[in-house]
Formats: sequence, C-alpha cells, structure tokens
Amino acid sequence: EAGVAQSPRYKIIEKRQSVAFWCNPISGHATLYWYQQILGQGPKLLIQFQNNGVVDDSQLPKDRFSAERLKGVDSTLKIQPAKLEDSAVYLCASSLEWQNGETQYFGPGTRLLVL
Amino acid sequence: KQEVTQIPAALSVPEGENLVLNCSFTDSAIYNLQWFRQDPGKGLTSLLLIQSSQREQTSGRLNASLDKSSGRSTLYIAASQPGDSATYLCAVPDQTGANNLFFGTGTRLTVIP
Repeated sequence: EAGVAQSPRYKIIEKRQSVAFWCNPISGHATLYWYQQILGQGPKLLIQFQNNGVVDDSQLPKDRFSAERLKGVDSTLKIQPAKLEDSAVYLCASSLEWQNGETQYFGPGTRLLVL
Repeated sequence: KQEVTQIPAALSVPEGENLVLNCSFTDSAIYNLQWFRQDPGKGLTSLLLIQSSQREQTSGRLNASLDKSSGRSTLYIAASQPGDSATYLCAVPDQTGANNLFFGTGTRLTVIP
C-alpha cells in the first residue's frame, strides 16, 4: 500500500513570509498527525485530527500556525508569518484510529528553512 | 508531563559489534513503547513496538526490552552493519489516550566499516 505522502520536500523562505505544507495519509486512516522536529530534537506534536475534527492542538502556536483537514483525508499546515525558529522538519503521520497502541506511519517530511 | 530521555546522544562502533541504546521515561503508566529509525533527510520508520504487557520484542538482529517499573527500555542491535547507521528514536504515547507520541532526542549511530 502507498505510504504517507508529503509535499514539498524542501522549502526555503524569508522570515515573515507564508508557507503551506500538504499531507496525504494512508488510505483509510482516520487519524492524522503533524509533528515539528527541530534539528537535534525528537519530533513534537503540533496537531492531531480524527477524520476532520481536532483531537489535540494544545502545542500548536495558533497565532501563526493553522491546519485543516476539511474532507477528513488530506491536510494542510500553514505558517503565517514565519519566524526563524520555525526552521525544522515537519512530519505528517497517520494511523487507523486514535486509540493508544495504534501504529503511526510517518511521511518523509518537509524540511523548512526560514532565513 | 511525560519526558523521554535517550543516552548516549551519539555512538560510533566498528562493524560487527553488538550495541545497546538506552531510553528512559518519567511516567511508567505507558500503553506501549516504540523504537523508530530515522535516516538523514527521511521520515521515521517503525522498528519495534512493545506493548505494556510485554517485556521484549525481536525483529531480526534487533531486540527491544521494556521495564515499566523502572521507566526504561533498551534496543539491542546484534552484529552491527554500516547500513545500521542512522538516528534511533524511542517514543511513548500520551497518557490522555489521544495516541500522540512523546519522543526522546535520539541516539545517532555510526557503524564504521
């Protein structure tokens, strides 16, 4: 089966610009996650969707980050305006459901550099 | 809040050696623990998932152990190969039941031919 797809793979922008990332989860997976991985650190959850509803967005910087999953399939993550500290890899993952124990499958990530 | 720590941060070994990576977590009431591999510029690949009721999981040359009471897990890699060079991350799910993962900072492994 096809894995989690993400695009673009790389993005370079200047601070205060806007950027959007796209994720297509594995077919049939109800739960979708966005993680931020800063260089030298482990991934940190930004937001979790169950179908098109938000399960957890407690660590999403809502003044500049937004995410949506309108039809319960694909998702977009947007940063507006970007700051230097947003430079990171943005990982999308999906799982069948959101209960504990469900394996998460990760995409290749989008590497963002903010200059 | 759950905190996950991995030691060492980096490790270099000659090819063929056996090695152990360590992971510790502060809240022992976990559902499971997962070990991932991350290659440079790539996403995460799940290696092993240990349920809270299990003490070990094996896959090929990899063996992961879990001691919930002490808040520790180890990943044992036998007969290391240059292709094992990568960053290894351990992760445990959020206890609220939402399944989001708390990750350690990883161990960067280099196997020298």
